[in-house]
Amino acid sequence: GAGVSQSPSNKVTEKGKDVELRCDPISGHTALYWYRQRLGQGLEFLIYFQGNSAPDKSGLPSDRFSAERTGESVSTLTIQRTQQEDSAVYLCASSYLGAAGEQYFGPGTRLTVT
Amino acid sequence: ILNVEQSPQSLHVQEGDSTNFTCSFPSSNFYALHWYRWETAKSPEALFVMTLNGDEKKKGRISATLNTKEGYSYLYIKGSQPEDSATYLCAFPNYGGSQGNLIFGKGTKLSVKP
Repeated sequence: GAGVSQSPSNKVTEKGKDVELRCDPISGHTALYWYRQRLGQGLEFLIYFQGNSAPDKSGLPSDRFSAERTGESVSTLTIQRTQQEDSAVYLCASSYLGAAGEQYFGPGTRLTVT
Repeated sequence: ILNVEQSPQSLHVQEGDSTNFTCSFPSSNFYALHWYRWETAKSPEALFVMTLNGDEKKKGRISATLNTKEGYSYLYIKGSQPEDSATYLCAFPNYGGSQGNLIFGKGTKLSVKP
């Protein structure tokens, strides 16, 4: 079946602009995660959605970052007033069993803030 | 904040060599331990999810063992091939259960020279 998809694959934006990143998880996966990897760093957790529960936003680095999820499907990650330190690969993953099961990652969005 | 440590940070081996690396995690409230492989320009891909002390899992030439009492897991690659070159990540559930996100280690970057 179809895997996790993300769009756009690449985004170059000017500092101060807003960007929106999209993730389509695998159908039926109730858990959805956003991570990012900045240059030379490991995978950094951003936000987690599980079913209809309130999202775990504990990893969001600032209030410029927000994310939404429509039911158990599409999620968007929005970064307002982008800064150069926001440049990273943003990865989305979904899972059927939450932290108990494998996470299936999308191809990522490479964000470059100039 | 949970800490997941991986060593070594990087490893260079010749084709045909067998190799192994380590993941250390908190031994209290163990729930699951994940291993992922992340090839350059691709998405992380799940290798194993391990839940039982003493568990050993195998996928082709790659295997992993788990010691939950002392808080470590080893990943072994037998007869390394150039296509095994990747960063190998381990991850641990943040909240010690099926809910919540995974905390990822910084990974071990393996390079296999032909």
